[in-house]
Amino acid sequence: DVKVTQSSRYLVKRTGEKVFLECVQDMDHENMFWYRQDPGLGLRLIYFSYDVKMKEKGDIPEGYSVSREKKERFSLILESASTNQTSMYLCASNPRPGLQHNEQFFGPGTRLTVL
Amino acid sequence: GIQVEQSPPDLILQEGANSTLRCNFSDSVNNLQWFHQNPWGQLINLFYIPSGTKQNGRLSATTVATERYSLLYISSSQTTDSGVYFCAVKNSGGSNYKLTFGKGTLLTVNP
Repeated sequence: DVKVTQSSRYLVKRTGEKVFLECVQDMDHENMFWYRQDPGLGLRLIYFSYDVKMKEKGDIPEGYSVSREKKERFSLILESASTNQTSMYLCASNPRPGLQHNEQFFGPGTRLTVL
Repeated sequence: GIQVEQSPPDLILQEGANSTLRCNFSDSVNNLQWFHQNPWGQLINLFYIPSGTKQNGRLSATTVATERYSLLYISSSQTTDSGVYFCAVKNSGGSNYKLTFGKGTLLTVNP
């Protein structure tokens, strides 16, 4: 079974802090994603990565950066956390595009509160 | 970009009832997935179904790609089926990576 893990289920930080959210997948997937989920807005893509050290902006990248130094690990970084970044953050992974079965799998999520 | 609409937005059932959830999409797709979000927030994969019909226990799904819709059937519903059901698609002609999600159907199954 595919397993995607996230470093924390719940996180509370203060405004201005630098925040790291970590995601690890164990299926050797090329693609990894960070989404945030907010009531009324659904799931929105922040960033994705299609290979080590490769990244592309999603729909809402402002205020975030990412790092992918190893294939299995994808980090989301909030350089200076703000209250409007309070949200549920979901990491996902899937195999390289073009494969017949390109199913995306999600981690358990991190509920981040910025005070 | 591709639009995904799910209906109904909310559904309340008694335990044992059957239900059908619908997902309409505005363009051709090469990936369509159904997810169940549990009370703790995790998205559980139900079906990978860009076309055709699949069944898994009490759940089944059908995608008619030419008519741009998918249906998720839940039979003999149980309280543990409660939660939000999401449909997500990847546009055939768009980015190789991005899944676009519908806003979900909130299902409540009462005992």
